[in-house]
Amino acid sequence: NAGVMQNPRHLVRRRGQEARLRCSPMKGHSHVYWYRQLPEEGLKFMVYLQKENIIDESGMPKERFSAEFPKEGPSILRIQQVVRGDSAAYFCASSPDSAYEQYFGPGTRLTVT
Amino acid sequence: DAKTTQPTSMDCAEGRAANLPCNHSTISGNEYVYWYRQIHSQGPQYIIHGLKNNETNEMASLIITEDRKSSTLILPHATLRDTAVYYCIVRVPSNTGKLIFGQGTTLQVKP
Repeated sequence: NAGVMQNPRHLVRRRGQEARLRCSPMKGHSHVYWYRQLPEEGLKFMVYLQKENIIDESGMPKERFSAEFPKEGPSILRIQQVVRGDSAAYFCASSPDSAYEQYFGPGTRLTVT
Repeated sequence: DAKTTQPTSMDCAEGRAANLPCNHSTISGNEYVYWYRQIHSQGPQYIIHGLKNNETNEMASLIITEDRKSSTLILPHATLRDTAVYYCIVRVPSNTGKLIFGQGTTLQVKP
């Protein structure tokens, strides 16, 4: 049973470009969570999605960041006009229900030059 | 969700039991205690969770005090691969689902 998959594993973008991070949840999981870990800092919740719905986006920066989890396909975290401060590891987690434990992917390391 | 307090770092000898404490004195009756760990910048890994009874699985044991104000994660025979940051998180499972990570305990297992 494949775990949570994230791609790309490493992403380099120049300032002002767009970054798209993808997350495929575990089979049977319809709940997806995104977390960000800035260098030398802890993990911070960003957004919680179910299929086609955003449930909690209280941790998302107000501008440039968006997330979706369409009926078909992976969840996408999109960062527009990236800045150096966006350089971080972005982790996706999934669960079959919000009451269950979350299983994390390996993360995408975004570097903005 | 209730706040947790963990020691910043701990050492453990390889092959010995690692006992990682967590204080959660403001925990409410419907909050569970969860443990995750993060090995060297990998994605966090779920370890175990419990409400009030002690729990054991293939990875670890969780001991929760009777008043539920503190708990201990026990790795019975620590190996070098258990070196990681261990996070104790308290939450109500039926809430929005987000995990609030503190600073955790950095466990260094030494040969």
